[in-house]
Amino acid sequence: GENVEQHPSTLSVQEGDSAVIKCTYSDSASNYFPWYKQELGKGPQLIIDIRSNVGEKKDQRIAVTLNKTAKHFSLHITETQPEDSAVYFCAARKVSNQFYFGTGTSLTVIP
Amino acid sequence: GAVVSQHPSWVICKSGTSVKIECRSLDFQATTMFWYRQFPKQSLMLMATSNEGSKATYEQGVEKDKFLINHASLTLSTLTVTSAHPEDSSFYICSARVNGPSGRSGANVLTFGAGSRLTVL
Repeated sequence: GENVEQHPSTLSVQEGDSAVIKCTYSDSASNYFPWYKQELGKGPQLIIDIRSNVGEKKDQRIAVTLNKTAKHFSLHITETQPEDSAVYFCAARKVSNQFYFGTGTSLTVIP
Repeated sequence: GAVVSQHPSWVICKSGTSVKIECRSLDFQATTMFWYRQFPKQSLMLMATSNEGSKATYEQGVEKDKFLINHASLTLSTLTVTSAHPEDSSFYICSARVNGPSGRSGANVLTFGAGSRLTVL
């Protein structure tokens, strides 16, 4: 199978600072890596994703980087705002279309 | 974009009763839907894969007679928690695979419903 590890489990940053969440995966056949944001009592929402043929992708304050050799990918949030506070999940999708999720990171942005 | 609607968002029931949760794809057809269970402050645990017109595929350790899944149409999958007990209380989330451009399987992304919080008294 696939094993996705996510760190840190909790993260607190001052408003305006950057936040970085890292994930590693075990199966080199995984080819798609989405990041989800989950607010309290709600379902996860896709915020950004990256495919295995790309090393970096950016969308305004959010960016994701992928290192296929090392089998790790990271979420970068710049100029954090209080509304960025949520739980973030990374995931890896295998060619079989099965998704495997990380354990989540609870991000708190302190005003 | 693709929207997955889940209902009810919150349900309280008595022990021993059955509860049905619906998951609908609003503007696309979903041949495959997934059901997850999430405990407080924990990750998503895949319970089963729901395939339209065929039996669901359950993950190891998930009781298929306890968690009945029906995917009778391309836009609706239901999860029924039968003879619910307090230990079944949890947050249940469905998701659907959305095809990318030209329906290429390699471009599939996962869209989640808003979740259903079940409390069994």
